[in-house]
Amino acid sequence: NAGVTQTPKFRVLKTGQSMTLLCAQDMNHEYMYWYRQDPGMGLRLIHYSVGEGTTAKGEVPDGYNVSRLKKQNFLLGLESAAPSQTSVYFCASTREGSPLNYGYTFGSGTRLTVV
Amino acid sequence: AQKITQTQPGMFVQEKEAVTLDCTYDTSDPSYGLFWYKQPSSGEMIFLIYQGSYDQQNATEGRYSLNFQKARKSANLVISASQLGDSAMYFCAMRDPGYSSASKIIFGSGTRLSIRP
Repeated sequence: NAGVTQTPKFRVLKTGQSMTLLCAQDMNHEYMYWYRQDPGMGLRLIHYSVGEGTTAKGEVPDGYNVSRLKKQNFLLGLESAAPSQTSVYFCASTREGSPLNYGYTFGSGTRLTVV
Repeated sequence: AQKITQTQPGMFVQEKEAVTLDCTYDTSDPSYGLFWYKQPSSGEMIFLIYQGSYDQQNATEGRYSLNFQKARKSANLVISASQLGDSAMYFCAMRDPGYSSASKIIFGSGTRLSIRP
């Protein structure tokens, strides 16, 4: 089925470890986004990309890096995980120039725990 | 800066009653889109309803309707005849247009709705 696929779905890290979350979409969307969801705070934008080879910071970028080497993939990296990065991470994508009523396609989320 | 505010962290409603989830927004852009998403306990984000800033009529999708009051910058979600399956977290969200904004969507903090049998 077409959509946004996130891997892994669950992960437990020790403080200081690194990891990469992968987001893959097969809808040829230009725009991709990484959000984190914390209780009482909704979804907050970490980084986003408007096309292959481009990335930009969102609202809460500290402690994260991203790469968009291929149009269909958007990677989120944690170089040195901290307990404050315990969260649920969502990837989303949408078309460039889409009308306003064309929302996001979301992945199913990655639940990350840093101990 | 754009902002979405949901002032109800949690709500309890009796089954079959109607419920209104509040949402206010702030933007200086005349063109924008408003969304409501549902997030059940399984975690996925489910699109419910959309309202455009230039739409003259309130949006409706089955049991969901959006009470859009542009002058008050309010976009409340109304669920008629609530069901047990409506128990979930609900997010109000806004998308702004334009390449420079990268069509980012900002979200409110959410309202957890619990339906009592």
